[in-house]
Amino acid sequence: GEDVEQSLFLSVREGDSSVINCTYTDSSSTYLYWYKQEPGAGLQLLTYIFSNMDMKQDQRLTVLLNKKDKHLSLRIADTQTGDSAIYFCAERPGGYNKLIFGAGTRLAVHP
Amino acid sequence: GAVVSQHPSRVICKSGTSVKIECRSLDFQATTMFWYRQFPKQSLMLMATSNEGSKATYEQGVEKDKFLINHASLTLSTLTVTSAHPEDSSFYICSIFQETQYFGPGTRLLVL
Repeated sequence: GEDVEQSLFLSVREGDSSVINCTYTDSSSTYLYWYKQEPGAGLQLLTYIFSNMDMKQDQRLTVLLNKKDKHLSLRIADTQTGDSAIYFCAERPGGYNKLIFGAGTRLAVHP
Repeated sequence: GAVVSQHPSRVICKSGTSVKIECRSLDFQATTMFWYRQFPKQSLMLMATSNEGSKATYEQGVEKDKFLINHASLTLSTLTVTSAHPEDSSFYICSIFQETQYFGPGTRLLVL
């Protein structure tokens, strides 16, 4: 089946690193994505990783993929107040262009 | 990446009326567009896949007669919520796939 799970809330201090975790169930997923949604706004693609990769880094963002455990994480280095948002993990099941989303993790950054 | 627009961005309507939401792909010819719905503080749920020149494919549990989808051109898909009721109030987001998925800014529908 297709299911994506995330923790619902994360609070970090400004300047610290944030790690948002996600697990998925579909082993045929070819791509896994991280999206950011600010209040009242649409979804912004942050990064994505192909299923045959273990890690992808893009400036302050690092994505780690453990395909064996079906575990995905997003690390945000030097977290800023502007990073406060909801972060959605999503999988793309093999053979499809649709995405299956997790419930989203609300990241709160405090001084 | 691809640019996707939606219109209107926000709409308030009376119960029983129909509302049309447009999704446009501004720089890419999209044979397929996706419609998602997001209830407050919840995740996005795929409603249907819009196919240019043919019928849309609806996800299980989505009423095709209530959510009419028309994909008449490679740059435009419309979602019409017919006889809207308060429980249809939601955030509707469309997307296209070009190597990855790009989302529109969303349309917030409030049915009174």
